Amino acid sequence: NAGVMQNPRHLVRRRGQEARLRCSPMKGHSHVYWYRQLPEEGLKFMVYLQKENIIDESGMPKERFSAEFPKEGPSILRIQQVVRGDSAAYFCASSATDYGYTFGSGTRLTVV
Amino acid sequence: QQQVKQSPQSLIVQKGGIPIINCAYENTAFDYFPWYQQFPGKGPALLIAIRPDVSEKKEGRFTISFNKSAKQFSLHIMDSQPGDSATYFCAASSSTGTASKLTFGTGTRLQVTL
Repeated sequence: NAGVMQNPRHLVRRRGQEARLRCSPMKGHSHVYWYRQLPEEGLKFMVYLQKENIIDESGMPKERFSAEFPKEGPSILRIQQVVRGDSAAYFCASSATDYGYTFGSGTRLTVV
Repeated sequence: QQQVKQSPQSLIVQKGGIPIINCAYENTAFDYFPWYQQFPGKGPALLIAIRPDVSEKKEGRFTISFNKSAKQFSLHIMDSQPGDSATYFCAASSSTGTASKLTFGTGTRLQVTL
């Protein structure tokens, strides 16, 4: 049973480009969460999704960021027109219906 | 009110020592308190978790102590080993019944020396 799969592991984008981060949850998990971790800081909640639904996006910046979890395929976190301040590690986690996340290994985004 | 304050920021102990990491919260609606361990380049991994109806929980060498009235909880690592060197995060969430978003502390970088 593979864990939460995130790709790519590392992503370099120039300012103004788009970044797409993918997350495949564990088998049987229907809840997906995205968190952002800045250097030397804890993880900050961004968005919580179930299949085809955004349940809580209270941590998402109002502009340039969007997330989806389609009926088929991985969850996608999309960042448009990236800026240097978007450089961070982005972690996806999944869960079944109870507590206890499983995190992926993250995507490290560097904006140059 | 959503903050979880974690201390210390970093900690160095000798092998066999008992590092203690502390967290405090303000939101009385929090009802689930997990601890995560993170190695460099990896995602956080759930270590142990507690709910407010118990004051202590042990799993192997890891113990959580919980003080509901003080709104504090702490992680103790017994007989620490160099392999325990990692960053530890406390967290809290406030939904009942279904998985919910976590509020994380800022992390404690632990180094266990020989």
